[in-house]
Amino acid sequence: DGGITQSPKYLFRKEGQNVTLSCEQNLNHDAMYWYRQDPGQGLRLIYYSQIVNDFQKGDIAEGYSVSREKKESFPLTVTSAQKNPTAFYLCASTQGSAYNEQFFGPGTRLTVL
Amino acid sequence: ELKVEQNPLFLSMQEGKNYTIYCNYSTTSDRLYWYRQDPGKSLESLFVLLSNGAVKQEGRLMASLDTKARLSTLHITAAVHDLSATYFCAVANTGNQFYFGTGTSLTVIP
Repeated sequence: DGGITQSPKYLFRKEGQNVTLSCEQNLNHDAMYWYRQDPGQGLRLIYYSQIVNDFQKGDIAEGYSVSREKKESFPLTVTSAQKNPTAFYLCASTQGSAYNEQFFGPGTRLTVL
Repeated sequence: ELKVEQNPLFLSMQEGKNYTIYCNYSTTSDRLYWYRQDPGKSLESLFVLLSNGAVKQEGRLMASLDTKARLSTLHITAAVHDLSATYFCAVANTGNQFYFGTGTSLTVIP
């Protein structure tokens, strides 16, 4: 089955630690995205990547980093510089053509202890 | 920056009633998407609207797009409990960046 997987589903982090969230897709999509969702809020874009080895900052990139070494994978690192990282993180992908919808992974819920 | 506004933010409706959710956006775009999110879950794609006047229907939900007014509507017909969820609209710019509304939390009461 084609789709997007995210791991882990739940993640607990101590203050001052860096953590990496995994996102893998087997849809052969060119573009991948990371969003953050806080309770009762919409989605805010952290980073996105249109092609391998290239990515752009979204609206709330501070305290986060990404890499895109393979087409299928777009991991997100939440660094200790992110002051309030507790949130629901969603990865999405879309085919490169301009009119295609985004498909979402199941999400990772990060909690800072 | 493209801004997307939805209203209402919260909607409580009785089963069998009709209602409309509105999505306004700030700059020109011809791509409008509707998603559904159940509590604690990811987003599920409902509709993709790609041109002015586009109308799509699936079951009790119907979505439309007016690009001149920068307005999309999601109409609910004869609501049932299973439609209780949060509904998001999203607009994409020419750079393939997606901007989401704040969501409309729908509760259907028996």
